[in-house]
Amino acid sequence: KNQVEQSPQSLIILEGKNCTLQCNYTVSPFSNLRWYKQDTGRGPVSLTIMTFSENTKSNGRYTATLDADTKQSSLHITASQLSDSASYICVVSPPLTDDKIIFGKGTRLHILP
Amino acid sequence: KAGVTQTPRYLIKTRGQQVTLSCSPISGHRSVSWYQQTPGQGLQFLFEYFSETQRNKGNFPGRFSGRQFSNSRSEMNVSTLELGDSALYLCASSPGSPGSRGETQYFGPGTRLLVL
Repeated sequence: KNQVEQSPQSLIILEGKNCTLQCNYTVSPFSNLRWYKQDTGRGPVSLTIMTFSENTKSNGRYTATLDADTKQSSLHITASQLSDSASYICVVSPPLTDDKIIFGKGTRLHILP
Repeated sequence: KAGVTQTPRYLIKTRGQQVTLSCSPISGHRSVSWYQQTPGQGLQFLFEYFSETQRNKGNFPGRFSGRQFSNSRSEMNVSTLELGDSALYLCASSPGSPGSRGETQYFGPGTRLLVL
């Protein structure tokens, strides 16, 4: 069964610090892997999208990496800000159109002042 | 360009009732997907529509149904509501066909449904 597992489930860090969120997946190969940010009470917003052949993608202070050998992706947040407090969701799209897109359960990140 | 809009934003229903949720995609987007989000299960795929046709369906009972209109607007219906249907229902749109896996999905703010 195709799965996407994220860790940690929740994380608390101080403002200004860096952090790394993990995503382990079983779908291989895949069409693309995405990281979304979801603020409380809002819909998810796309941060990065990587194809199977890419190994890094940046969006400002957010950098996603992909290791196809270990089937892991990481989202690194640099110099965290209070506005980074949100849930971060890893999403993997299988290669076939009829296969279901698989969502991780997310990591809840809290930034403290 | 306006984003994805969903109505209503909040809804309270009782068990056994039925509910209809509405989603208006970004102008020009033809693909609309629906998701259920609960704290315990995360985001779960309900169905996907393109050009008024259901192209993909998740593992939900037949009480959950949807449709898409010629203007790409979509509705989902849940009949005979159960307590476990309480969740945030999210709609997402993307420009092209479901086969375009490289496209980003743009999510609406969701409809929070509470079943009492």
